[in-house]
Amino acid sequence: RKEVEQDPGPFNVPEGATVAFNCTYSNSASQSFFWYRQDCRKEPKLLMSVYSSGNEDGRFTAQLNRASQYISLLIRDSKLSDSATYLCVVTPNTGNQFYFGTGTSLTVIP
Amino acid sequence: GAVVSQHPSRVICKSGTSVKIECRSLDFQATTMFWYRQFPKQSLMLMATSNEGSKATYEQGVEKDKFLINHASLTLSTLTVTSAHPEDSSFYICSASKQGAGNSPLHFGNGTRLTVT
Repeated sequence: RKEVEQDPGPFNVPEGATVAFNCTYSNSASQSFFWYRQDCRKEPKLLMSVYSSGNEDGRFTAQLNRASQYISLLIRDSKLSDSATYLCVVTPNTGNQFYFGTGTSLTVIP
Repeated sequence: GAVVSQHPSRVICKSGTSVKIECRSLDFQATTMFWYRQFPKQSLMLMATSNEGSKATYEQGVEKDKFLINHASLTLSTLTVTSAHPEDSSFYICSASKQGAGNSPLHFGNGTRLTVT
């Protein structure tokens, strides 16, 4: 079983829509969780960390559900510039193990 | 914020030659760095975990004699693609997280696009 499972999509949504992605993880010892954004032909960039209590950064909201072992990313009022691949990353905080989802492709349509 | 620098960003080489890619953590120490490869429209694939002062740990299916990794200091890891072939053409990315920071995210280099002709 994969450490992290993520729906690859693609998700095609109109501008202004709300879209949500989930990642499930298999290791209950996982400690830290992150969402990254990767644009075409570029490196992944940290979008936000995911905190136990949930956290929000502008139009983006990240949540963690330890009981069901998943994290989510919600994007409100989608912009064309949100089109990218969104990766979830999970780590047990050993410093040498980071597990990636396969990435979810989002295209925001005018 | 933490910065990881990768060089070169783009390289074109002939079959049979070797290419060295450098990954530096600019403002933090990294005991561990990671090397990935990504083919077009595919996911990042972890190739190896680079450990300062010791041998790298390679993922299954990655040839250690072809992809030489050296992590000689806490701020520098290098990946050398030896005897490159066209099928090695890919996007190579390194990453690192701050040493000792348990919940520190990964910081990525800007990637190296390798084309082997």
